[in-house]
Amino acid sequence: QVQLQQSGPGLVKPSQTLSLTCAISGDSVSSNSAAWNWIRQSPSRGLEWLGRTYFKSKWYNDYAVSVKSRLTIKPDTSKNQFSLQLNSVTPEDTAVYYCAREDIWNDGAYGFDNWGQGTMVTVSS
Amino acid sequence: EIVLTQSPGTLSLSPGERATLSCRASQSVSSSYLAWYQQKPGQAPRLLIYGASNRATGTPDRFSGSGSGTDFTLTISRLEPEDFAVYYCQQYGSSPRTFGQGTKVEIK
Repeated sequence: QVQLQQSGPGLVKPSQTLSLTCAISGDSVSSNSAAWNWIRQSPSRGLEWLGRTYFKSKWYNDYAVSVKSRLTIKPDTSKNQFSLQLNSVTPEDTAVYYCAREDIWNDGAYGFDNWGQGTMVTVSS
Repeated sequence: EIVLTQSPGTLSLSPGERATLSCRASQSVSSSYLAWYQQKPGQAPRLLIYGASNRATGTPDRFSGSGSGTDFTLTISRLEPEDFAVYYCQQYGSSPRTFGQGTKVEIK
């Protein structure tokens, strides 16, 4: 049973960095069968995929163009977790942020089968 | 980027009725990598269907998915009280992964 537990602040000041962590239990961040994603949801933008990290003989990252210049997603193998860092935030980055596991077993793809509980992040001074 | 358009925006039905939700893609979805999710207030989305027509673990068999290319459908054969929620389609065959704007299934 895979579980994802999110942690991080709910309030970030404009121009600062938003940092969230997703701790994994029941799977490994280094698994060859999973990709680890961040998604956010707001009334104005709906569900918006931000990016992912995954390991297939080496580490890969994949980011949405809209945030690519500001976003870093990193695995932490020592703690079996992955993180999101979004720089230079503005009020438009206010949203509920989710981490999610994507099943990519055997070079296939099977959707986002496990999600974190969500973190409401407000960007405000 | 593949844009997904869901219709209708809201579906007002009674328990026991059949629900048909549509998801249209702006270009063909690779390998039918199309998923459907259910979201209830205050909760994360839950995977219902992957690969356009495969039920995820724990998805009741009243939920079925169909379609290929650019046109996909989620059908709920007989609505149960717990099925009233928002449903999203998602394509995960190309990057960026994208979601539709959602269809709300509400009690009539």
